[in-house]
Amino acid sequence: EADIYQTPRYLVIGTGKKITLECSQTMGHDKMYWYQQDPGMELHLIHYSYGVNSTEKGDLSSESTVSRIRTEHFPLTLESARPSHTSQYLCASSEITGGYGNTIYFGEGSWLTVV
Amino acid sequence: RKEVEQDPGPFNVPEGATVAFNCTYSNSASQSFFWYRQDCRKEPKLLMSVYSSGNEDGRFTAQLNRASQYISLLIRDSKLSDSATYLCVVNISRVGDSSYKLIFGSGTRLLVRP
Repeated sequence: EADIYQTPRYLVIGTGKKITLECSQTMGHDKMYWYQQDPGMELHLIHYSYGVNSTEKGDLSSESTVSRIRTEHFPLTLESARPSHTSQYLCASSEITGGYGNTIYFGEGSWLTVV
Repeated sequence: RKEVEQDPGPFNVPEGATVAFNCTYSNSASQSFFWYRQDCRKEPKLLMSVYSSGNEDGRFTAQLNRASQYISLLIRDSKLSDSATYLCVVNISRVGDSSYKLIFGSGTRLLVRP
């Protein structure tokens, strides 16, 4: 089992609220990711990080922001939630090297509903 | 054109059937390849890596054709529990290069019926 944890698992929140989705991994992985996935749809990379103090935007534009102050922690923040942010957010991590060593491991996901 | 393409399915097969999925990729710099399985409303999990010589894990066989730029997954003797979405993942990188990119296909849905 992968040692990557997300909280909260489920969140229902009102429009305009600020939210932070937490993600922690204990595998010592340098590379971490946030994906967004609607039910039955494909994964979209929204943010990733190579290591501490590194953050990059992914392929899908997102109003969320991320930070990487510690290797094991990669939180995602929405300053003002909107109904269009309703989705599943999946955190993941992998090793820094290329090749077959960088299997990606996912957390169980955070289901966000903005009402 | 997407960098990694899969037939979305669904593939609807009876228990015990053999089913095969293909995945094509466009970037010839792709270095490593994986199949992930995702159950409904769950996170993706690694099913198996795909090596150049082909590899097998129980009822599952994965193959890579670099010349034609596709990978395949064969499932023999399908079980009800195999029902899931199967994601093809391609890693574009050079060994030792931290700036590798993992590209996910949109997935192929498999439904195994009794």
